[in-house]
Amino acid sequence: EAGVTQFPSHSVIEKGQTVTLRCDPISGHDNLYWYRRVMGKEIKFLLHFVKESKQDESGMPNNRFLAERTGGTYSTLKVQPAELEDSGVYFCASSPYRTSGTYNEQFFGPGTRLTVL
Amino acid sequence: GDSVTQMEGPVTLSEEAFLTINCTYTATGYPSLFWYVQYPGEGLQLLLKATKADDKGSNKGFEATYRKETTSFHLEKGSVQVSDSAVYFCALTRSDMRFGAGTRLTVKP
Repeated sequence: EAGVTQFPSHSVIEKGQTVTLRCDPISGHDNLYWYRRVMGKEIKFLLHFVKESKQDESGMPNNRFLAERTGGTYSTLKVQPAELEDSGVYFCASSPYRTSGTYNEQFFGPGTRLTVL
Repeated sequence: GDSVTQMEGPVTLSEEAFLTINCTYTATGYPSLFWYVQYPGEGLQLLLKATKADDKGSNKGFEATYRKETTSFHLEKGSVQVSDSAVYFCALTRSDMRFGAGTRLTVKP
């Protein structure tokens, strides 16, 4: 079974440009998460989808970031316009359906390294 | 809010040395605790976990015990190998995951 995949693996863009990151979760996983690690600091939560719905987007830094998950399958994270401080590694993770109060292991993709010049 | 603090790296050890990476947490209630590992060029992988106080998670020779009295979840391995070189992240969850900053471990032959 394929794991979580992310595309591209590395993106280098100039300040002010737009970049779209893609995540393909494990097939059948309802939960999809985005995280990012900036400048070697802690990995921070961005948002959580349950199927196509945004369950929690409290970690999104500002309105330059837009995440979508049309059809409840793959997800995209668009940064428009990109700023220097957006550089970092963006991770995607997925997990199966969970009942309230329980935890399902999150399976992570390899990440997309974004460099904004 | 919930948070995780882990020892800063990088950590460099010789093969067969003893490893400890400290992790402490701040959280209300009883979170689940995790150690994730990221090998070069790969994604995060769950290394071990503990879901309640005094639980010990173990995998691949690594161990960590959930200590509620000290709010800690230190990672240990008795004899590291070169293949253990990676970045290790401590994390907690009740709903979403909260990670520490990561500790880079390099093991030299």
